[in-house]
Amino acid sequence: DAGITQSPRHKVTETGTPVTLRCHQTENHRYMYWYRQDPGHGLRLIHYSYGVKDTDKGEVSDGYSVSRSKTEDFLLTLESATSSQTSVYFCAIRPPGSGTDTQYFGPGTRLTVL
Amino acid sequence: EDKVVQSPLSLVVHEGDTVTLNCSYEVTNFRSLLWYKQEKKAPTFLFMLTSSGIEKKSGRLSSILDKKELFSILNITATQTGDSAVYLCAVKLSGAGSYQLTFGKGTKLSVIP
Repeated sequence: DAGITQSPRHKVTETGTPVTLRCHQTENHRYMYWYRQDPGHGLRLIHYSYGVKDTDKGEVSDGYSVSRSKTEDFLLTLESATSSQTSVYFCAIRPPGSGTDTQYFGPGTRLTVL
Repeated sequence: EDKVVQSPLSLVVHEGDTVTLNCSYEVTNFRSLLWYKQEKKAPTFLFMLTSSGIEKKSGRLSSILDKKELFSILNITATQTGDSAVYLCAVKLSGAGSYQLTFGKGTKLSVIP
């Protein structure tokens, strides 16, 4: 257990509505990540953060924004949800230490956009 | 474009069999390769490999990296139904800004009694 929680765990919403997913960690790790997982595509990075207010885009960032105002929380926002954003969203953290690249994943949020 | 390819995409074996899962990669500035197991939930970490030819082992699972031929294998001996899962391979690059893991699409392993 990497001390990561995600909320909500399941959400159904309609096209065009804004959605915010929350990732919360208890270990004060600096690095946090948002991935989406889709059949046939594997896990793909949306955005990541390397500190409070320090974020950057990943491979599939279009249509998503993030914010990190506290070390423990990393928020992912879909400004206007589309059906193509139906997916399972995973948050991950990377513990400190130059010798480790390991990321640990939260339980995931299943989002359905109708 | 960086690429991680896993094979086979799916595999069905009987309990007690030994399986080998493959992960090949074409990336710039390789730093490490990681294996994860994913049941119907979040991926869980298995191994991280950085050096060629050094086997990592945990119980019935083992993995090795070949940096010359750009691949890794994950072996599972004496498989059990609890080994049924999707096994993910990911590569971490080195260099400034290389924060992400690049994942393969996974191998779905089904172990039948």
